[in-house]
Amino acid sequence: KAGVTQTPRYLIKTRGQQVTLSCSPISGHRSVSWYQQTPGQGLQFLFEYFSETQRNKGNFPGRFSGRQFSNSRSEMNVSTLELGDSALYLCASSLNLVASDTQYFGPGTRLTVL
Amino acid sequence: SQQGEEDPQALSIQEGENATMNCSYKTSINNLQWYRQNSGRGLVHLILIRSNEREKHSGRLRVTLDTSKKSSSLLITASRAADTASYFCATDYQGAQKLVFGQGTRLTINP
Repeated sequence: KAGVTQTPRYLIKTRGQQVTLSCSPISGHRSVSWYQQTPGQGLQFLFEYFSETQRNKGNFPGRFSGRQFSNSRSEMNVSTLELGDSALYLCASSLNLVASDTQYFGPGTRLTVL
Repeated sequence: SQQGEEDPQALSIQEGENATMNCSYKTSINNLQWYRQNSGRGLVHLILIRSNEREKHSGRLRVTLDTSKKSSSLLITASRAADTASYFCATDYQGAQKLVFGQGTRLTINP
């Protein structure tokens, strides 16, 4: 079974731009979660989608948004990029809701904001 | 602040030795998970231990959970160079409906 895939793997943007990241979960997994990882803040939970509905959201500004499609693929969008948004963005999928289940992570998208 | 705190932040040992990492948390949990991350890559799930379990094994890995002390430990026996990575604990604490990760322990295995 193919693992979690994320595209693109690397991205360079400038301040003020917006970006869309994509995540394809493992086949059959209905939950997709997004995390931001930075050296200073570590792994921070962004949001979780389950059956196309956002089930939980972390403490991030409204510039961070996401959605999930009927095939469980998910996208996250960051508008009006700031330098501090530079990070590794990780997507994870699981069979059930995140808190009770093993997470399978993708390789991440490395976003650099200049 | 982070729910889980790993200790030590960094650990360097010789190949073949055992490595022990600890995780402490603040509030009651449903389960605790350990993950490994190789440099700049995605996380790999290692073990999930539920709040009513005290110990679990998987190959060279042993995880213990002490809910009275709100702490967990991950033991890697007979370490190998390939074990060099960062190790994170993640807690599913009651009412949170999300996993909260600690800052991680960076483990280096020297040949």
